[in-house]
Amino acid sequence: DGGITQSPKYLFRKEGQNVTLSCEQNLNHDAMYWYRQDPGQGLRLIYYSQIVNDFQKGDIAEGYSVSREKKESFPLTVTSAQKNPTAFYLCASSPQHTTATSYGYTFGSGTRLTVV
Amino acid sequence: SQQGEEDPQALSIQEGENATMNCSYKTSINNLQWYRQNSGRGLVHLILIRSNEREKHSGRLRVTLDTSKKSSSLLITASRAADTASYFCATDARTNAGKSTFGDGTTLTVKP
Repeated sequence: DGGITQSPKYLFRKEGQNVTLSCEQNLNHDAMYWYRQDPGQGLRLIYYSQIVNDFQKGDIAEGYSVSREKKESFPLTVTSAQKNPTAFYLCASSPQHTTATSYGYTFGSGTRLTVV
Repeated sequence: SQQGEEDPQALSIQEGENATMNCSYKTSINNLQWYRQNSGRGLVHLILIRSNEREKHSGRLRVTLDTSKKSSSLLITASRAADTASYFCATDARTNAGKSTFGDGTTLTVKP
């Protein structure tokens, strides 16, 4: 079945550590996205990628980094510079970025990151 | 502030009743989408309505769009306990095409 797989489902980070969240899709979608969701709130865009080897900052990119070396994969690294990383992180994809809002996004099941 | 804002923040109804939730936005849009999120899960795309459309149906879902009032509503008819979830609107502003802005959502509880 086609879809997006995020791993791990739960992740615990110590203060000062970098952690990487995985996102893999087998939908052959060009565009991929990372969103952050805080309790009781909507989604805020961290980074997005329209094509392999290209990515752009979203609204809250500070303290995060991404790479897009393969079409299927768009990992997100939460660096120690992100002062409040505890949140629910969602990865999404769409056939193309310019038409993403015409067809909707496909979301993964999310990774819940907690700082301990 | 968010482009899309849902109202009410929370809604509790009995099974079989209809549920209506609203979304207001600030700037002109190309289209508006509604998503559902079950607790602790990702979002599922429900329906998209374009700026030149006024109403769309999908099963028990009915979405309306009033561009003059910059608002949309999602109606779920004959609700079921399985409809319990958070519902989000996402707007694609004409000045920000390709990137959707999500509201804070309406949490719907359907009591059996």
